[in-house]
Amino acid sequence: RKEVEQDPGPFNVPEGATVAFNCTYSNSASQSFFWYRQDCRKEPKLLMSVYSSGNEDGRFTAQLNRASQYISLLIRDSKLSDSATYLCVVKYTGGFKTIFGAGTRLFVKA
Amino acid sequence: DTAVSQTPKYLVTQMGNDKSIKCEQNLGHDTMYWYKQDSKKFLKIMFSYNNKELIINETVPNRFSPKSPDKAHLNLHINSLELGDSAVYFCASSLPMGGQGRENGEQFFGPGTRLTVL
Repeated sequence: RKEVEQDPGPFNVPEGATVAFNCTYSNSASQSFFWYRQDCRKEPKLLMSVYSSGNEDGRFTAQLNRASQYISLLIRDSKLSDSATYLCVVKYTGGFKTIFGAGTRLFVKA
Repeated sequence: DTAVSQTPKYLVTQMGNDKSIKCEQNLGHDTMYWYKQDSKKFLKIMFSYNNKELIINETVPNRFSPKSPDKAHLNLHINSLELGDSAVYFCASSLPMGGQGRENGEQFFGPGTRLTVL
């Protein structure tokens, strides 16, 4: 079993749609959680950190359920520019070990 | 004024050769990393360094040897290159864990080095 698992997609959605990505992690000692975004042939960039209380950044909402070892990302009112691969990321061992999920591809169409 | 830079951006070489990739960050971070992203786009950590000391080595073959001459640099030397080494290699840096907000372990990535072994 992979340490961090994501649905690879692809998700094909029209502009304006709401889309949700899920991620599960296996190591209960995991300490920090993030969603990164990676555009084609580019480096990953932080989209948002994920907190136990849930957090929102504009159209993006992240949730963490430590009991179920589950992370989610909700994107509302999808834009063409949201098309990318979304990576679920977990850190532990004092933050020095970082595990990336395989990513979920999103295509937003006009 | 690039935060994390890598050179070269592209590297094409023959099997058996030795090559190096350089990484520099000007963010003042203590922690640096090397990642490998293979053809299936899976991003896997190879090494973590903190204050020039190796913290994590993820069962990477001995042919890969990272070197950190100072906190701002983490170079990767690869001996006896093999076909399976073809991938994109990303360098990254971060602040240590602790505190809240984006500063809590956010990693900044370099643009990547696309290595092709023929």
